[in-house]
Amino acid sequence: RKEVEQDPGPFNVPEGATVAFNCTYSNSASQSFFWYRQDCRKEPKLLMSVYSSGNEDGRFTAQLNRASQYISLLIRDSKLSDSATYLCVVNERRTDKLIFGTGTRLQVFP
Amino acid sequence: NAGVTQTPKFQVLKTGQSMTLQCAQDMNHNSMYWYRQDPGMGLRLIYYSASEGTTDKGEVPNGYNVSRLNKREFSLRLESAAPSQTSVYFCALTGNTEAFFGQGTRLTVV
Repeated sequence: RKEVEQDPGPFNVPEGATVAFNCTYSNSASQSFFWYRQDCRKEPKLLMSVYSSGNEDGRFTAQLNRASQYISLLIRDSKLSDSATYLCVVNERRTDKLIFGTGTRLQVFP
Repeated sequence: NAGVTQTPKFQVLKTGQSMTLQCAQDMNHNSMYWYRQDPGMGLRLIYYSASEGTTDKGEVPNGYNVSRLNKREFSLRLESAAPSQTSVYFCALTGNTEAFFGQGTRLTVV
């Protein structure tokens, strides 16, 4: 079983739609959680950190469920510019390693 | 990419040739990483270094060596390149709440 698992997609949604991505992780000792965005042929960039209490940044909402070892990202009112691959990232407490999911590809169409 | 410099950006090697990918940071972070990214596979950890002078294997270390002689630099060496090492390579380092990536190296082994 992979340490961090995501649905690879692609998710094809119209502008204005709401879309949700899920991610599960296997190591219960994981310490920190993030969502990264990666555009084609570019390096990943931080979208948002994920906290146990849930956090929101504009149209983006991230949630963490430690008991179920589950992370989610919700994007509301999708824009064409949201088209990218979204990576779930987990940081292990003991080793400080960053473990990436394979990414979920989102394509927003007009 | 402020603070993470990765070179070269592109490289073509013949099978059996060697090369070193360089990564340097000016952000004074301890942890540095090398990843490779292949279509459908996401970012896979090759090696990481928790601090100067220490290195550890990641998920896919075979065929690679690394060196962390000082806090600033973390290099990745391919001693005898193989076509299976054709990939995009990313250097990264972690801060308290975010990972920072180099711009990537597109390596083709023919």
